[in-house]
Amino acid sequence: GENVEQHPSTLSVQEGDSAVIKCTYSDSASNYFPWYKQELGKRPQLIIDIRSNVGEKKDQRIAVTLNKTAKHFSLHITETQPEDSAVYFCAASSPGYSTLTFGKGTMLLVSP
Amino acid sequence: GAVVSQHPSRVICKSGTSVKIECRSLDFQATTMFWYRQFPKQSLMLMATSNEGSKATYEQGVEKDKFLINHASLTLSTLTVTSAHPEDSSFYICSARDYGVPGISNQPQHFGDGTRLSIL
Repeated sequence: GENVEQHPSTLSVQEGDSAVIKCTYSDSASNYFPWYKQELGKRPQLIIDIRSNVGEKKDQRIAVTLNKTAKHFSLHITETQPEDSAVYFCAASSPGYSTLTFGKGTMLLVSP
Repeated sequence: GAVVSQHPSRVICKSGTSVKIECRSLDFQATTMFWYRQFPKQSLMLMATSNEGSKATYEQGVEKDKFLINHASLTLSTLTVTSAHPEDSSFYICSARDYGVPGISNQPQHFGDGTRLSIL
Protein backbone atom coordinates (compact mmCIF):
# COMPACT_ATOMS: atom_id res chain seq x y z
CA GLY A 1 0.00 0.00 0.00
CA GLU A 2 0.85 3.67 -0.11
CA ASN A 3 3.35 5.12 2.35
CA VAL A 4 3.70 8.87 2.89
CA GLU A 5 6.69 10.39 4.65
CA GLN A 6 6.53 14.01 5.85
CA HIS A 7 9.31 16.32 7.00
CA PRO A 8 10.05 18.17 9.15
CA SER A 9 7.99 17.15 12.16
CA THR A 10 8.29 20.65 13.60
CA LEU A 11 9.12 23.94 11.93
CA SER A 12 9.64 27.27 13.62
CA VAL A 13 9.81 30.47 11.60
CA GLN A 14 9.61 34.19 12.20
CA GLU A 15 6.60 36.10 10.99
CA GLY A 16 7.09 37.10 7.38
CA ASP A 17 9.44 34.23 6.57
CA SER A 18 8.58 31.41 4.20
CA ALA A 19 7.87 27.85 5.31
CA VAL A 20 8.32 24.68 3.29
CA ILE A 21 7.01 21.24 4.20
CA LYS A 22 8.00 18.23 2.13
CA CYS A 23 6.36 14.86 1.55
CA THR A 24 7.32 11.76 -0.38
CA TYR A 25 5.06 8.94 -1.46
CA SER A 26 5.73 5.37 -2.50
CA ASP A 27 2.95 4.45 -4.94
CA SER A 28 3.74 5.80 -8.40
CA ALA A 29 0.06 5.39 -9.30
CA SER A 30 -1.03 8.01 -6.74
CA ASN A 31 -2.61 10.95 -8.50
CA TYR A 32 -4.19 13.17 -5.87
CA PHE A 33 -2.35 15.07 -3.14
CA PRO A 34 -4.25 17.27 -0.66
CA TRP A 35 -2.86 19.32 2.21
CA TYR A 36 -4.77 19.84 5.44
CA LYS A 37 -4.31 22.35 8.25
CA GLN A 38 -5.40 21.32 11.73
CA GLU A 39 -5.51 23.70 14.65
CA LEU A 40 -5.47 22.26 18.15
CA GLY A 41 -8.67 20.38 18.91
CA LYS A 42 -10.25 21.29 15.61
CA ARG A 43 -11.06 19.62 12.33
CA PRO A 44 -8.49 19.21 9.56
CA GLN A 45 -9.24 21.80 6.88
CA LEU A 46 -8.35 21.33 3.25
CA ILE A 47 -6.11 24.23 2.26
CA ILE A 48 -4.92 23.19 -1.17
CA ASP A 49 -4.71 20.09 -3.34
CA ILE A 50 -3.00 19.07 -6.55
CA ARG A 51 -3.55 16.34 -9.10
CA SER A 52 -0.85 14.49 -10.97
CA ASN A 53 -1.52 16.23 -14.26
CA VAL A 54 -0.32 19.53 -12.75
CA GLY A 55 3.16 20.40 -11.52
CA GLU A 56 2.32 23.43 -9.42
CA LYS A 57 -0.71 25.15 -7.96
CA LYS A 58 -0.95 28.42 -6.10
CA ASP A 59 -3.58 30.08 -3.95
CA GLN A 60 -2.51 33.46 -2.57
CA ARG A 61 0.27 32.77 -0.01
CA ILE A 62 0.06 29.01 -0.38
CA ALA A 63 1.55 26.91 -3.17
CA VAL A 64 2.06 23.22 -3.76
CA THR A 65 4.58 21.64 -6.13
CA LEU A 66 4.61 18.06 -7.37
CA ASN A 67 7.49 16.08 -8.82
CA LYS A 68 6.05 12.81 -10.12
CA THR A 69 9.41 11.43 -11.18
CA ALA A 70 10.87 11.82 -7.71
CA LYS A 71 7.52 11.07 -6.05
CA HIS A 72 7.54 14.06 -3.80
CA PHE A 73 5.39 17.11 -3.25
CA SER A 74 5.85 20.20 -1.14
CA LEU A 75 3.79 22.90 0.54
CA HIS A 76 5.11 26.43 0.41
CA ILE A 77 3.73 29.19 2.62
CA THR A 78 5.05 32.70 2.00
CA GLU A 79 4.82 35.74 4.27
CA THR A 80 3.87 33.58 7.22
CA GLN A 81 1.61 34.97 9.92
CA PRO A 82 1.03 33.83 13.53
CA GLU A 83 -2.38 32.49 12.50
CA ASP A 84 -0.62 30.07 10.17
CA SER A 85 0.57 28.22 13.28
CA ALA A 86 -1.01 24.74 13.20
CA VAL A 87 -0.28 21.15 12.28
CA TYR A 88 -0.15 20.51 8.55
CA PHE A 89 -0.78 17.09 7.04
CA CYS A 90 -0.01 15.96 3.52
CA ALA A 91 -1.83 13.01 1.99
CA ALA A 92 -1.86 10.90 -1.15
CA SER A 93 -4.50 8.86 -2.92
CA SER A 94 -4.39 6.41 -5.81
CA PRO A 95 -6.90 6.26 -8.68
CA GLY A 96 -9.71 3.88 -7.97
CA TYR A 97 -9.09 4.09 -4.24
CA SER A 98 -11.09 6.50 -2.17
CA THR A 99 -8.83 6.38 0.87
CA LEU A 100 -6.17 8.92 1.75
CA THR A 101 -2.84 8.00 3.27
CA PHE A 102 -1.66 10.78 5.56
CA GLY A 103 1.80 11.89 6.54
CA LYS A 104 2.62 12.19 10.23
CA GLY A 105 2.16 15.93 10.26
CA THR A 106 4.30 19.04 10.68
CA MET A 107 3.77 21.42 13.55
CA LEU A 108 4.38 24.92 12.21
CA LEU A 109 5.08 27.65 14.75
CA VAL A 110 5.15 31.24 13.50
CA SER A 111 6.59 33.68 16.00
CA PRO A 112 5.55 37.35 15.91
CA GLY B 1 -20.13 24.54 0.70
CA ALA B 2 -18.93 21.04 1.63
CA VAL B 3 -19.94 21.17 5.29
CA VAL B 4 -19.73 18.07 7.44
CA SER B 5 -21.44 18.02 10.81
CA GLN B 6 -20.36 15.59 13.54
CA HIS B 7 -22.14 15.01 16.83
CA PRO B 8 -21.60 14.87 19.68
CA SER B 9 -18.44 16.90 20.06
CA ARG B 10 -17.62 15.46 23.47
CA VAL B 11 -18.71 12.35 25.32
CA ILE B 12 -17.77 11.26 28.82
CA CYS B 13 -19.22 7.96 29.93
CA LYS B 14 -18.65 4.90 32.06
CA SER B 15 -16.85 1.79 30.95
CA GLY B 16 -19.20 -0.68 29.27
CA THR B 17 -21.39 1.97 27.68
CA SER B 18 -22.04 2.04 23.95
CA VAL B 19 -21.59 5.40 22.27
CA LYS B 20 -23.00 6.48 18.91
CA ILE B 21 -21.38 9.23 16.84
CA GLU B 22 -23.14 10.79 13.87
CA CYS B 23 -21.58 12.26 10.75
CA ARG B 24 -23.70 14.23 8.32
CA SER B 25 -22.91 15.92 5.03
CA LEU B 26 -25.08 19.05 5.10
CA ASP B 27 -24.89 20.44 1.59
CA PHE B 28 -23.75 17.55 -0.59
CA GLN B 29 -24.34 13.87 -1.07
CA ALA B 30 -21.64 11.55 0.17
CA THR B 31 -21.63 8.00 -1.13
CA THR B 32 -18.47 7.45 0.87
CA MET B 33 -17.62 8.56 4.38
CA PHE B 34 -14.55 7.77 6.42
CA TRP B 35 -13.92 7.29 10.11
CA TYR B 36 -10.57 8.17 11.62
CA ARG B 37 -9.05 7.97 15.04
CA GLN B 38 -6.46 10.48 16.16
CA PHE B 39 -4.23 10.16 19.20
CA PRO B 40 -2.66 13.27 20.77
CA LYS B 41 0.03 14.81 18.59
CA GLN B 42 -0.34 12.06 16.01
CA SER B 43 -1.67 11.70 12.52
CA LEU B 44 -5.09 10.56 11.37
CA MET B 45 -5.49 6.80 11.42
CA LEU B 46 -8.14 5.47 9.06
CA MET B 47 -10.44 3.03 10.84
CA ALA B 48 -12.98 2.25 8.14
CA THR B 49 -14.57 3.37 4.92
CA SER B 50 -18.33 3.68 5.02
CA ASN B 51 -20.23 3.15 1.78
CA GLU B 52 -23.88 4.08 1.45
CA GLY B 53 -26.07 1.00 1.23
CA SER B 54 -23.32 -1.54 1.77
CA LYS B 55 -21.06 -2.90 4.48
CA ALA B 56 -18.18 -0.80 5.71
CA THR B 57 -14.62 -1.70 4.84
CA TYR B 58 -12.45 -1.89 7.94
CA GLU B 59 -8.71 -1.34 8.08
CA GLN B 60 -6.47 -4.06 9.36
CA GLY B 61 -6.51 -4.32 13.13
CA VAL B 62 -9.85 -2.53 13.60
CA GLU B 63 -12.49 -4.72 15.21
CA LYS B 64 -15.70 -4.53 13.21
CA ASP B 65 -17.78 -5.85 16.10
CA LYS B 66 -16.33 -3.17 18.35
CA PHE B 67 -16.79 -0.27 15.97
CA LEU B 68 -20.14 -0.62 14.22
CA ILE B 69 -20.66 1.54 11.18
CA ASN B 70 -23.93 2.26 9.44
CA HIS B 71 -24.34 4.38 6.32
CA ALA B 72 -28.04 4.27 5.63
CA SER B 73 -28.36 7.40 3.51
CA LEU B 74 -26.28 9.62 1.25
CA THR B 75 -25.91 12.18 4.04
CA LEU B 76 -25.52 10.18 7.24
CA SER B 77 -23.04 7.69 8.62
CA THR B 78 -22.88 6.55 12.24
CA LEU B 79 -20.10 4.99 14.27
CA THR B 80 -21.08 3.08 17.39
CA VAL B 81 -18.35 2.19 19.87
CA THR B 82 -19.78 -0.83 21.62
CA SER B 83 -19.01 -1.67 25.23
CA ALA B 84 -16.45 1.12 25.39
CA HIS B 85 -13.42 0.79 27.65
CA PRO B 86 -10.81 3.35 28.73
CA GLU B 87 -8.47 2.29 25.90
CA ASP B 88 -11.15 3.42 23.44
CA SER B 89 -10.76 6.98 24.68
CA SER B 90 -9.62 9.06 21.73
CA PHE B 91 -10.52 11.74 19.21
CA TYR B 92 -12.73 10.31 16.48
CA ILE B 93 -13.17 12.27 13.24
CA CYS B 94 -15.34 11.55 10.25
CA SER B 95 -14.95 12.84 6.74
CA ALA B 96 -17.17 12.79 3.70
CA ARG B 97 -16.31 12.73 0.03
CA ASP B 98 -18.53 14.44 -2.49
CA TYR B 99 -20.46 12.23 -4.86
CA GLY B 100 -18.09 13.34 -7.53
CA VAL B 101 -17.65 15.24 -10.70
CA PRO B 102 -17.94 13.08 -13.82
CA GLY B 103 -14.53 12.27 -15.24
CA ILE B 104 -12.60 13.33 -12.15
CA SER B 105 -11.55 10.76 -9.59
CA ASN B 106 -10.53 11.38 -6.00
CA GLN B 107 -12.71 14.20 -4.80
CA PRO B 108 -11.58 16.06 -1.66
CA GLN B 109 -12.53 14.77 1.76
CA HIS B 110 -14.17 17.24 4.12
CA PHE B 111 -13.92 16.66 7.84
CA GLY B 112 -16.31 16.98 10.73
CA ASP B 113 -15.32 18.71 13.98
CA GLY B 114 -14.50 15.45 15.69
CA THR B 115 -15.74 13.74 18.84
CA ARG B 116 -13.59 13.55 21.92
CA LEU B 117 -14.52 10.32 23.67
CA SER B 118 -13.50 9.80 27.28
CA ILE B 119 -14.28 6.49 28.96
CA LEU B 120 -14.01 6.46 32.72
